[in-house]
Amino acid sequence: GIQVEQSPPDLILQEGANSTLRCNFSDSVNNLQWFHQNPWGQLINLFYIPSGTKQNGRLSATTVATERYSLLYISSSQTTDSGVYFCAGRDMRFGAGTRLTVKP
Amino acid sequence: GAVVSQHPSWVICKSGTSVKIECRSLDFQATTMFWYRQFPKQSLMLMATSNEGSKATYEQGVEKDKFLINHASLTLSTLTVTSAHPEDSSFYICSASSTQGPIGYTFGSGTRLTVV
Repeated sequence: GIQVEQSPPDLILQEGANSTLRCNFSDSVNNLQWFHQNPWGQLINLFYIPSGTKQNGRLSATTVATERYSLLYISSSQTTDSGVYFCAGRDMRFGAGTRLTVKP
Repeated sequence: GAVVSQHPSWVICKSGTSVKIECRSLDFQATTMFWYRQFPKQSLMLMATSNEGSKATYEQGVEKDKFLINHASLTLSTLTVTSAHPEDSSFYICSASSTQGPIGYTFGSGTRLTVV
């Protein structure tokens, strides 16, 4: 069955707005991670976050392992934040992603 | 930071031919490599996981005789698409991780394969 589910599938924001992306995961998913794929296809690892909260600049992530979900927060969004955000467990099987478009 | 070089960036080949895609870790030892394919506007689909010196573990539904993966050294993994067909046209991405140092996954820039 599906191990990782992401929502919303699509999100359109005006520059400067904040957003929250969600990742629900099944019991078998360990060590949740967040990734960003830019419009040219390049992927980067944003957070390795099995539990707790981490912050990196305008991005932060929180994982509540006992309730099997993780949230990615983007504050003061910029056009360069556009792309697709994925979550995955340590087995590196990706969710369907959230496609974010930030408009100037 | 960790860098993974993937080549070629794009390739066009004729049906029936084979294509090799290389993935190199430039400044770290990649103990594990992951290979993905991605269709337009879809997620990354994990094809196989390979550990250095071992045979790759293929995901269900991925033909191992068609998608040959070799991870012979700690810095190089290759994916060979054999007897390519138009339906193999896709974006292929590799990712590398290491048991040495902080946990992290570094991705190649991807290879766009078009089979004509």
